[in-house]
Amino acid sequence: DAGVIQSPRHEVTEMGQEVTLRCKPISGHNSLFWYRQTMMRGLELLIYFNNNVPIDDSGMPEDRFSAKMPNASFSTLKIQPSEPRDSAVYFCASSFGTGVGEQYFGPGTRLTVT
Amino acid sequence: KQEVTQIPAALSVPEGENLVLNCSFTDSAIYNLQWFRQDPGKGLTSLLLIQSSQREQTSGRLNASLDKSSGRSTLYIAASQPGDSATYLCAVITTSGTYKYIFGTGTRLKVLA
Repeated sequence: DAGVIQSPRHEVTEMGQEVTLRCKPISGHNSLFWYRQTMMRGLELLIYFNNNVPIDDSGMPEDRFSAKMPNASFSTLKIQPSEPRDSAVYFCASSFGTGVGEQYFGPGTRLTVT
Repeated sequence: KQEVTQIPAALSVPEGENLVLNCSFTDSAIYNLQWFRQDPGKGLTSLLLIQSSQREQTSGRLNASLDKSSGRSTLYIAASQPGDSATYLCAVITTSGTYKYIFGTGTRLKVLA
């Protein structure tokens, strides 16, 4: 298996632009997680899906952030409009089951907003 | 609210030493605890998963223990090697609320050749 796939690996954009991050979970996994990692706050869960349904989005910072999972093999995290404080590494992870199973992480997307 | 603490924040040891990394959590009602390693600029790699009913898990030179009642887990690395240099993170899922991992801030390990 190729593992969790994320794209792009690096994204540099200007403040105010829309950013879309993409994730393909491991085949057969039915839980998907979006995390953000910064030096100041460490690793934080933004949202997680189970069977394509958002279960907990309490970590989503504000309305500028939105996430979708249209099918079992694809998810997006969108930021609109982007701000410099959104600069971070965004990770996608997947697991099998209800969400308590072992999580497997993608390589991350490093986002820089200037 | 669950809080996860890892001590020490950084550790530097000579090659060949056995070492212990610590993870503490405030709410003992957990489903499981998972240890990860993160290399600079990379994603997280799962090392060991301990379910709440288990006391320890082993994989090669790694051994992780769990003491739920005291809110502690330790990751033991035997015969450390320079390739073990990385940041080690622990994460717990609590039984209250929805299932989500709460991560510690990590221990940055450097093994000197």
